[in-house]
Amino acid sequence: AQKITQTQPGMFVQEKEAVTLDCTYDTSDQSYGLFWYKQPSSGEMIFLIYQGSYDEQNATEGRYSLNFQKARKSANLVISASQLGDSAMYFCAMREGRNRDDKIIFGKGTRLHILP
Amino acid sequence: EPEVTQTPSHQVTQMGQEVILRCVPISNHLYFYWYRQILGQKVEFLVSFYNNEISEKSEIFDDQFSVERPDGSNFTLKIRSTKLEDSAMYFCASSDGDTNTFPNYGYTFGSGTRLTVV
Repeated sequence: AQKITQTQPGMFVQEKEAVTLDCTYDTSDQSYGLFWYKQPSSGEMIFLIYQGSYDEQNATEGRYSLNFQKARKSANLVISASQLGDSAMYFCAMREGRNRDDKIIFGKGTRLHILP
Repeated sequence: EPEVTQTPSHQVTQMGQEVILRCVPISNHLYFYWYRQILGQKVEFLVSFYNNEISEKSEIFDDQFSVERPDGSNFTLKIRSTKLEDSAMYFCASSDGDTNTFPNYGYTFGSGTRLTVV
């Protein structure tokens, strides 16, 4: 079974509009962390935002916010006022458990296209 | 901002050749990882490494792969006899394991090495 599910393989959004990228996760651990990464065409993995399972407030970083709904096991990324430079692949990822060497598990990604 | 550094950024190698991908993790980090991303696909975990030992490895990480921390700063991934299907982007990552940063542990990715096997 998929641990991280991103149901939108691709999205097209008009510049300046807000974007929501969906992510649901599956874990039985109480302690886990959720990440969003941006991967432009150059290939590097750019960290955007992080949410810990015990964090009560939704994480925000500039134009990025994470809509964390723990009961629904959902961690959607919201990008406000999208820009052309936001066009990229976006990955939702999870690190579960308390072990210090636990790996990160990635979803399949959503390719976001911002239209001028 | 501390960085994980990977070299080279792009490597082309002949099928059957050995290749070594290099990473310099963040200096106070203790846990090291390699991931692989075949073009257009998701990022997959290969191996985690701590205290000079492999902590966990995936089914992808077969006998063709090995990892090493040859000195206090480098962390390497060796592929002994490359195959065409090893062509991918390889990401190194490190984390500090510090309880103050739990559960993120300061997890940081490098910018990747694009390996092309011809």
